[in-house]
Amino acid sequence: ETGVTQTPRHLVMGMTNKKSLKCEQHLGHNAMYWYKQSAKKPLELMFVYNFKEQTENNSVPSRFSPECPNSSHLFLHLHTLQPEDSALYLCASSQEGASGGDTQYFGPGTRLTVL
Amino acid sequence: DQQVKQNSPSLSVQEGRISILNCDYTNSMFDYFLWYKKYPAEGPTFLISISSIKDKNEDGRFTVFLNKSAKHLSLHIVPSQPGDSAVYFCAASGGSGGSNYKLTFGKGTLLTVNP
Repeated sequence: ETGVTQTPRHLVMGMTNKKSLKCEQHLGHNAMYWYKQSAKKPLELMFVYNFKEQTENNSVPSRFSPECPNSSHLFLHLHTLQPEDSALYLCASSQEGASGGDTQYFGPGTRLTVL
Repeated sequence: DQQVKQNSPSLSVQEGRISILNCDYTNSMFDYFLWYKKYPAEGPTFLISISSIKDKNEDGRFTVFLNKSAKHLSLHIVPSQPGDSAVYFCAASGGSGGSNYKLTFGKGTLLTVNP
């Protein structure tokens, strides 16, 4: 099983839909992250979870709702999104998201299109 | 204000030659630097990292150089291969306030290695 997996790989949704993105890591890591990558912009950190506890919310709108039931799984629940939310959503994990020198490993991403 | 800058959006080199990708940073608190490689429709793949206590780190065909006084790092790939064609992201972490694990990414450089 590859290190970090994400499903679905592609998602098209309307502005009134509710959907969820799933991430799973098989690396035994304790920290998980959600990033957003929009066209021609650097990766933007959205949320960080350490040992299932949210330690970072980078001023993300409430229409994005993360959930981390355990150290291996991370969800991003989506509702009433806007077309400008269309982007590549990347999940990452690292050994411990509390200290420097910690390498993050990324999943393949979910390409989200909001109509 | 971008704290990590990759000023070359693209770079084209011949197979077998050296590829040099550059990255500048402005935050003197950064102490850990990483390079990621990204193919289209995939997540970033970790390549190589360097701590600020070193000025060089080598892994096979990849070498990262760090010049702290100039706040500059570079990734050397030699010899370059067509399969190296991808977008390369520079990232940095470090600092105070409990956020030293957060990665700040550059916008990326598209490397094309021509056969």
